Amino acid sequence: GAVVSQHPSRVICKSGTSVKIECRSLDFQATTMFWYRQFPKQSLMLMATSNEGSKATYEQGVEKDKFLINHASLTLSTLTVTSAHPEDSSFYICSASTGGGYGYTFGSGTRLTVV
Amino acid sequence: AQTVTQSQPEMSVQEAETVTLSCTYDTSENNYYLFWYKQPPSRQMILVIRQEAYKQQNATENRFSVNFQKAAKSFSLKISDSQLGDTAMYFCAFMKHTGANNLFFGTGTRLTVIP
Repeated sequence: GAVVSQHPSRVICKSGTSVKIECRSLDFQATTMFWYRQFPKQSLMLMATSNEGSKATYEQGVEKDKFLINHASLTLSTLTVTSAHPEDSSFYICSASTGGGYGYTFGSGTRLTVV
Repeated sequence: AQTVTQSQPEMSVQEAETVTLSCTYDTSENNYYLFWYKQPPSRQMILVIRQEAYKQQNATENRFSVNFQKAAKSFSLKISDSQLGDTAMYFCAFMKHTGANNLFFGTGTRLTVIP
């Protein structure tokens, strides 16, 4: 089946630094990928829609200059958290659609801790 | 706008018993998809079952089945012969058939299977 690989699974960074999270579709092409954020014991909150070859579409309230998304190929989307602060600590999940209304395949998530 | 409501934050069930998780949604769309996702402690999102709104027949996947009531905008998940590995967060999700194809998630139900 379709597999989405997300790296790293865990990262700890110092406040003020930037962190890049990669999301790869391993056996299918994904023109669209989605980035979610999940706080403890809460649901997934859509942050942005990543479109191959074009600018990402951000949800209301999500700072596009802070959460940089690049979707340079049909199999890779990256999320860069710039100038990270402790409040950015969270669980970030990417997903990609295989089309046909079959929902999404999700990456395994990245737990970001900013100290 | 689409909204998905899961009114049961937590539920428990004895091993081998049956449990039903509730989900209601609100939409003005006539054609759409509904999903149940499972998120175990590993936090990997796993598709459990999928329903197409234009199909009246309820979807079934082994021990998992749904009761889809389109008029009532209800989409409950029944888990039969519950197993310890079913312990997880369960999210109900909605996706439009056309246009923006991001998922709208409910707030989740934490299910615990008791040995």
